[in-house]
Amino acid sequence: GENVEQHPSTLSVQEGDSAVIKCTYSDSASNYFPWYKQELGKGPQLIIDIRSNVGEKKDQRIAVTLNKTAKHFSLHITETQPEDSAVYFCAASRRYSSASKIIFGSGTRLSIRP
Amino acid sequence: DSGVTQTPKHLITATGQRVTLRCSPRSGDLSVYWYQQSLDQGLQFLIQYYNGEERAKGNILERFSAQQFPDLHSELNLSSLELGDSALYFCASSASLGTTGTAYTEAFFGQGTRLTVV
Repeated sequence: GENVEQHPSTLSVQEGDSAVIKCTYSDSASNYFPWYKQELGKGPQLIIDIRSNVGEKKDQRIAVTLNKTAKHFSLHITETQPEDSAVYFCAASRRYSSASKIIFGSGTRLSIRP
Repeated sequence: DSGVTQTPKHLITATGQRVTLRCSPRSGDLSVYWYQQSLDQGLQFLIQYYNGEERAKGNILERFSAQQFPDLHSELNLSSLELGDSALYFCASSASLGTTGTAYTEAFFGQGTRLTVV
């Protein structure tokens, strides 16, 4: 079945440094890749997404890259700040399908050291 | 605030019991997803509804069922509860990009219902 693998499971970086989280997906029909941030006691919040016809997308300090051939996609956070500390989930789905279930990775707990 | 409302926020019940979790999607969203998140675990997809019809199913137990009503709110029913069912249950909704419900916008999550089975 569909599967999304996410690495690392935990990540600690110095404030101001960059953080990178990587994911791979198994369903070659996946064409939409959102990233969610989950803070303690809250629901996941969409922070950025990328479609399969785009290789890279950037929004201020965060960027996502997608390699469809390798079925890899990554989240890059630059100039990290304390408020970036959270659990980050990658996900994959078939956006144009009657079965549009969103399959999530296992999450990365990001800690920003002051 | 995502616009997705889940009730109740917390629920404590005994093993063997049955509970119902409720989700009101964002205004205009026709698609509803249910996810289970156990302690320090990822988000496990349970089931998806679009405009009242089941569209996709994940590893949802037979003891669990869901439905989406004409007003588009959804309920997740959990029966014969076991200790291992203790988890956060999230609902998400998304809008359809067309009239056939085969294309969707991004999904927005509610705050979740924390279920504790004792």
